[in-house]
Amino acid sequence: RKEVEQDPGPFNVPEGATVAFNCTYSNSASQSFFWYRQDCRKEPKLLMSVYSSGNEDGRFTAQLNRASQYISLLIRDSKLSDSATYLCVVNRDGGYNKLIFGAGTRLAVHP
Amino acid sequence: GAVVSQHPSRVICKSGTSVKIECRSLDFQATTMFWYRQFPKQSLMLMATSNEGSKATYEQGVEKDKFLINHASLTLSTLTVTSAHPEDSSFYICSASDGGGGQYFGPGTRLTVT
Repeated sequence: RKEVEQDPGPFNVPEGATVAFNCTYSNSASQSFFWYRQDCRKEPKLLMSVYSSGNEDGRFTAQLNRASQYISLLIRDSKLSDSATYLCVVNRDGGYNKLIFGAGTRLAVHP
Repeated sequence: GAVVSQHPSRVICKSGTSVKIECRSLDFQATTMFWYRQFPKQSLMLMATSNEGSKATYEQGVEKDKFLINHASLTLSTLTVTSAHPEDSSFYICSASDGGGGQYFGPGTRLTVT
């Protein structure tokens, strides 16, 4: 079983749509959780950290359920520029901030 | 702030040769640097963790004699792919940690072995 599993995607949505991505992780000792965005042939860039109480950044809302080891990302009012691959990332217990990446979910927003 | 550079951005080499990739933190001191590899349509896979002045810690399944990592200073880590083969062709990405929880990614190096 992979340490971090995500929706396979791709998601093809029209502009303005709301889309949700899900992610599960297997290591209950994981301490930190993130969503990264990766554009084609580029490095990943931090979109937002995910906190236990849930957090929002503009059109993006992240949720964490430690009991279920489940993370979600909700994107409201999708823009064309949101088209990218979204990576669910957790740290691995160990103190060096090792990040374990999910395979990513591809989002394509069309006009 | 928190800029990480990689050099070269892309490299093509012949099978059997060695390739060195540099990762630099430009405006902060990186206590720890990480090396990842990403094959097409797959996730980033952590290869190894390096701390300045000490030996790198490799993830299971990564050959330490093939992927040599040197972290000689707080701003530079190098990854050398020795005796490269076509199956080593991949996107190699480094990241650097400032010890405060932030981890910053370099732009990646695309390696093609012919």
